Formats: sequence, structure tokens, C-alpha cells
Amino acid sequence: GQQVMQIPQYQHVQEGEDFTTYCNSSTTLSNIQWYKQRPGGHPVFLIQLVKSGEVKKQKRLTFQFGEAKKNSSLHITATQTTDVGTYFCAGGGSQGNLIFGKGTKLSVKP
Amino acid sequence: AAGVIQSPRHLIKEKRETATLKCYPIPRHDTVYWYQQGPGQDPQFLISFYEKMQSDKGSIPDRFSAQQFSDYHSELNMSSLELGDSALYFCASSGGGGRADTQYFGPGTRLTVL
Repeated sequence: GQQVMQIPQYQHVQEGEDFTTYCNSSTTLSNIQWYKQRPGGHPVFLIQLVKSGEVKKQKRLTFQFGEAKKNSSLHITATQTTDVGTYFCAGGGSQGNLIFGKGTKLSVKP
Repeated sequence: AAGVIQSPRHLIKEKRETATLKCYPIPRHDTVYWYQQGPGQDPQFLISFYEKMQSDKGSIPDRFSAQQFSDYHSELNMSSLELGDSALYFCASSGGGGRADTQYFGPGTRLTVL
């Protein structure tokens, strides 16, 4: 079945350092979505990428969708303690459901 | 803005008991998804409904069933509960017409099976 691989599983950074998480799918995705889940919270939608090669920015966050629509990345510039949480990518499957990656848990040391 | 509502927020059951989780989607959203998230795990897709019909089925055990009602709310029924069913259960809704559109997650129901 369709799978979405996400790395790294954990990332510890010093406040002010950059952070990147990567997702890779075994099949072409209709779209890729990114969610953030704070400890004890629920996944919160961040962004959706649909077009091949698409790049979107939200303040310090930059999202990219690969040309083949099989991979994506989220880059955070100059992390802050408020960025702490688990970042999930989720690929649009062929049946309309979302296929979640395992998530990258980000911790930021002040 | 109205969000997805889930009830109850916490539920404690004994092994072999049954549980019913409820989900009220964002108004005018036509698709509901159920996910199970174990500790430190990613959300695992269980089942989805579009316009009150089952649209996709994931890793939902046979002991579980779900439906979407005429007012678009959904219920996840879980029978013969096992210890391994302890998890966070999220409901998400979207207005994407059954396609992989943006999903808005509810706060979740934390189920503990003793």
C-alpha cells in the first residue's frame, strides 16, 4: 500500500538554529499536507501543496513539494521555543484519505 | 470559527466492554475521517464517510464499526475492547467532497481500556 516516510524521527536544536524535516512517498501524491501537533494536542493544519515543484512560505516556515510529487520538505528558519511539537506530513492517497508520515518531533533548547 | 467537536473527551472502559465515540464535523463539511493515535505514534486512518456513505476503510478492526448520520455527525462504535485499543481517537472533517482535501481535526477522545 501507499506509504509516506518521514525523517528524522527526532530533532533537537538550539533556539535560533534551522530545522528541516523530509517526507518521501512510494507513489505519486495528489497533494501533500503538513500538520503540527503540540504535546497533548491534536494535529493542526499548516498548509497544503498541490502543484509539482510548489514552494510556499509562512513567516519562518518554507514548504516544498517535489517535481515528481513524491517528496516534500518543511524548513523552519531560526527556530523558537514556540516551534516545539511534532510535525507530520500527510500525503493525499488515491482513495481520498490522508497517509501520515511518522512525524518529526522537534525540541528547541532555549 | 466552529471547529470539530468530539465527545466524550476522556473515556475509561474495562476489557470486553463497548464504547461509542461521537464526532460533530464543522458545519457544511461533508466528509468525516476517524484516526487512532497510539502514544508517540502517527495517526492511523481507520475509516471515512462522505455524504453519509462509507468512502474509504483503513486499518479498522472488525470489532469497530462507524456510521455517519443525516446531520453529518458520526459515531465510532467499539466492541469487545482490548487493552491495545487504548489510544487517542481523532475525528477530522473536510469539505472536499470525499477527496484528499484539508482535514480539520477535533480535540480527540482519549480512550483508556483497563
